Amino acid sequence: ELKVEQNPLFLSMQEGKNYTIYCNYSTTSDRLYWYRQDPGKSLESLFVLLSNGAVKQEGRLMASLDTKARLSTLHITAAVHDLSATYFCAVDETSGSRLTFGEGTQLTVNP
Amino acid sequence: DAEITQSPRHKITETGRQVTLACHQTWNHNNMFWYRQDLGHGLRLIHYSYGVQDTNKGEVSDGYSVSRSNTEDLPLTLESAASSQTSVYFCASGTSSYEQYFGPGTRLTVT
Repeated sequence: ELKVEQNPLFLSMQEGKNYTIYCNYSTTSDRLYWYRQDPGKSLESLFVLLSNGAVKQEGRLMASLDTKARLSTLHITAAVHDLSATYFCAVDETSGSRLTFGEGTQLTVNP
Repeated sequence: DAEITQSPRHKITETGRQVTLACHQTWNHNNMFWYRQDLGHGLRLIHYSYGVQDTNKGEVSDGYSVSRSNTEDLPLTLESAASSQTSVYFCASGTSSYEQYFGPGTRLTVT
């Protein structure tokens, strides 16, 4: 059974600081997704990582995938308040788009 | 523009009632999914479909059923609603090769 673990689950950080969210998963997969969710809203796709060593960046967020270590990271650079949200990683074990999600990381960026 | 919609957006029902949540997508995607979101669990897969007349059980399928009579719709039925099924339900659609798009969600309360 595929397990997806995120840490930390709660993250409070100051504006301007850098931090990394980690996503570990338990079985072989080369397809990993990062989503953002604002309170009461749906999931917004941030990144789709499709191969070992994949790195994608959008604004202050950068995601990477190491399939050998079964690890993905979401790095936040110079955080701003607008990044406050819950971030989920999800793994597609079978390439059939059936996603297994981590618990989510609730990020709060303080002024 | 193509989209994925869910209805109702909010529903209150009583224990033991049958409830159907609708999901409609205009992306013409073959794959459709139902997830539930609960605190501490992230999103968990309930049922999924890879095409018309195809349905499959996910991680938490007990007490739920789906049917797929056309490409656009995947209704989720709770046969006899239980308080443990109080949750936020998300429908998603996608192709096998790439992203998954999520609907706005349905908040279901079973009293």
